[in-house]
Formats: sequence, structure tokens, C-alpha cells
Amino acid sequence: SQELEQSPQSLIVQEGKNLTINCTSSKTLYGLYWYKQKYGEGLIFLMMLQKGGEEKSHEKITAKLDEKKQQSSLHITASQPSHAGIYLCGADVGSGYALNFGKGTSLLVTP
Amino acid sequence: DAGVIQSPRHEVTEMGQEVTLRCKPISGHNSLFWYRQTMMRGLELLIYFNNNVPIDDSGMPEDRFSAKMPNASFSTLKIQPSEPRDSAVYFCASSSGGSTEAFFGQGTRLTVV
Repeated sequence: SQELEQSPQSLIVQEGKNLTINCTSSKTLYGLYWYKQKYGEGLIFLMMLQKGGEEKSHEKITAKLDEKKQQSSLHITASQPSHAGIYLCGADVGSGYALNFGKGTSLLVTP
Repeated sequence: DAGVIQSPRHEVTEMGQEVTLRCKPISGHNSLFWYRQTMMRGLELLIYFNNNVPIDDSGMPEDRFSAKMPNASFSTLKIQPSEPRDSAVYFCASSSGGSTEAFFGQGTRLTVV
């Protein structure tokens, strides 16, 4: 089955610092979904990437799918406490829907 | 729209009892997913419905688990009999199909003692 590896597993950064979360697959990704989950709550959709080299931004969060479509990165610029939570990547392996998710990256932003 | 609605939010039950989790997807969405989230295994897809028909149930762990979608606005996930290892947060999500974003409910935290 498709397996997604996220790194790092957890991250503590000081407010205002930049950070990057990676999602790597051993197989080609036909669609890559980024979600954010606040502790004890459901997942909130952030972005979807489909084309190799595609890059999308929303406020201070930028996500990119590499040319080979096997890795995606999520970059947060000038982090804020509101960015804290668990970030999960989900992969479409050709079925047209998010099939598997990585185990998530837990982000804590300190004042 | 109120989003995807799941009930109950929390469920504590004794081992061996039947548990039924409920989900109301967003109106107009034709795809529905049930996921299970644990610390050890992360978020796992259990079953996927499209137009009320189960398309992919390869993630359903055992025969103790069953899911139904009798109509476009309601789905259930049943565990019978429940076991302590079933303790997890169960999420329902819906989408308008294709490669589009899925909207998640708030989840049901199940504890089997």
C-alpha cells in the first residue's frame, strides 16, 4: 500500500521563524493534499497539488510538489502561534481521492 | 452549511458491546469516507462510498466492522463486538468527488474498556 513519510515528526519553533515540513512517497503521487489538524478537532484542508513543479500559497503557507511528483514540502514563513497544530499530507495514487495519509508533523510555535 | 456532522462526539463502551457511529455528509457531496486515527498508525482510510455505494473497503480491519450508507445524507459505521484495540478517533469526511478537497467532521472519540 502507499506509504507516506513525513519529516520531522515534531517541530518547535520560535514565533517569527520560518519552517519546512516534508512529505515523501516511494511511488508517484497523482495528487497531494495538505491538511491541518488542531488538537482534538477534525482536519482542515489547506492545499492540493497535482502537477509536478506546482506551487501554491495561502497567506504565509506555501506548498510545492517536486518535478518527479514523489515529494512535497510545506513552508511556513514568519510562523505565528496560530500555525500550531498537526500537519498531515495525504496522497492520491490514481483513484481520484486521498487514500493514505502520513502520520503527521506536530508543530508548536513558542512566543 | 453546517459541515460534516458526526455523532456522538465521545463514546465509552465496554468490551463486547456494539457501537454505532453516525455521519451526515455535506449536502450535495457524493463521496463519503470513514477514517480511523490512532497515535501508532496515524490516519487510516477504512471505507469509501461514492453515490452511496461502497467502492473501497480494503481498509476495514475485520468482519467486526461494517459500514452502510442507506441514502445520500446518512452513513453509519458499526463495530460489533467492540474490543479495546478499537479505541481511536473515527472521522467521517465528504467531498464532491474527483480530485477535490474532502471536508472532515469533528470526529468521534471511541474508548472501549
